[in-house]
Amino acid sequence: IAGITQAPTSQILAAGRRMTLRCTQDMRHNAMYWYRQDLGLGLRLIHYSNTAGTTGKGEVPDGYSVSRANTDDFPLTLASAVPSQTSVYFCASSAEPGSSYEQYFGPGTRLTVT
Amino acid sequence: DAKTTQPNSMESNEEEPVHLPCNHSTISGTDYIHWYRQLPSQGPEYVIHGLTSNVNNRMASLAIAEDRKSSTLILHRATLRDAAVYYCILRPYSGGSNYKLTFGKGTLLTVNP
Repeated sequence: IAGITQAPTSQILAAGRRMTLRCTQDMRHNAMYWYRQDLGLGLRLIHYSNTAGTTGKGEVPDGYSVSRANTDDFPLTLASAVPSQTSVYFCASSAEPGSSYEQYFGPGTRLTVT
Repeated sequence: DAKTTQPNSMESNEEEPVHLPCNHSTISGTDYIHWYRQLPSQGPEYVIHGLTSNVNNRMASLAIAEDRKSSTLILHRATLRDAAVYYCILRPYSGGSNYKLTFGKGTLLTVNP
């Protein structure tokens, strides 16, 4: 069982370029999430999706967009990358969006915007 | 959201039990207590969660105080692979649509061989 896969593993991106981070889960989980992790700031929620076809904004959504066309995939797009988006990005999923359900995380994508 | 307080760091020896404390004095009656850990250069990993009763799983045990103002994550026999940052997180039960995990600074556990 793969769980959650993310691609690419790492990327160096020029400022102003568009980039899509991919996330796929094979657990048929309804809820999916995107977090970013920065030193000293912990993990912060960017966007989430409670079920296929719906998305919502988290704590730090500006500059990012997501889509949830099906259950398995939850891509995160940076329309025009800026250096402040340099971070490690984690995708996560849970069976349901409720607070009694644990979240499973992918291995992360390390993004550097120059 | 209710806050949690954890020691910045703890140290243990391999094959000994580890008790990781967490204080959450402002917990509300419907908050779930979750524990996650993050190994170096990896994504966070779910460990265990509970509401009122003590919980056991293959990874650890969670002991919740009777007044729920504190909890303890117990690793029964620490291994080198358990060296990680451990996060104690309160998750409110709500009808809202945002079920994020709020990670604090956690406890850095060092396991000595």
